[in-house]
Amino acid sequence: GAGVSQSPSNKVTEKGKDVELRCDPISGHTALYWYRQSLGQGLEFLIYFQGNSAPDKSGLPSDRFSAERTGGSVSTLTIQRTQQEDSAVYLCASSLVGTGASTEAFFGQGTRLTVV
Amino acid sequence: AQTVTQSQPEMSVQEAETVTLSCTYDTSESDYYLFWYKQPPSRQMILVIRQEAYKQQNATENRFSVNFQKAAKSFSLKISDSQLGDAAMYFCAYRTGGTGANSKLTFGKGITLSVRP
Repeated sequence: GAGVSQSPSNKVTEKGKDVELRCDPISGHTALYWYRQSLGQGLEFLIYFQGNSAPDKSGLPSDRFSAERTGGSVSTLTIQRTQQEDSAVYLCASSLVGTGASTEAFFGQGTRLTVV
Repeated sequence: AQTVTQSQPEMSVQEAETVTLSCTYDTSESDYYLFWYKQPPSRQMILVIRQEAYKQQNATENRFSVNFQKAAKSFSLKISDSQLGDAAMYFCAYRTGGTGANSKLTFGKGITLSVRP
């Protein structure tokens, strides 16, 4: 597609349920990022995939959060046993990465997750 | 680890005036990139301007320019002739120049810019 696509755009779930958020990056982009943005706040890094390298999971807030990227393309962020504090906008971005390249990250429009 | 600091949570500017948004960062690397992103109420993050650390010349994109002070680790954004459509949240971001798992984007906490008509 022309841009980064995220689905669903909005998700309301009950506390304790599991949710899956999907990100389709721009074709050919080797880097993929997940960020969390709480209301009116900055971007909290969650996880970063780059090519065949082991992902940088250092931002995942707890073991309830996990993410995978299949075939170097689509990524799924899974939150198990959701809590109210998980309510936020989850943003995905992708970019090219290369030695010496000044690479722009392209963002999707995010998934707004509300845990009730 | 790299850190990006935006110490001003909010700023306001009169339409047609100039405003400067501040950003500082901390790194021990010599090869890196700096970015300013805009996030309007639609949530869509949009790249405003980028700066390569190895370039001494400050980047400029139309009404947007940066003041990059590498020694001071400062990267401020100047918006000239402010327009109502400039009202948004602005984020400063850092990315190492390497490849692999250490080249993630690190963001500051952002600043909310309002434009007064």
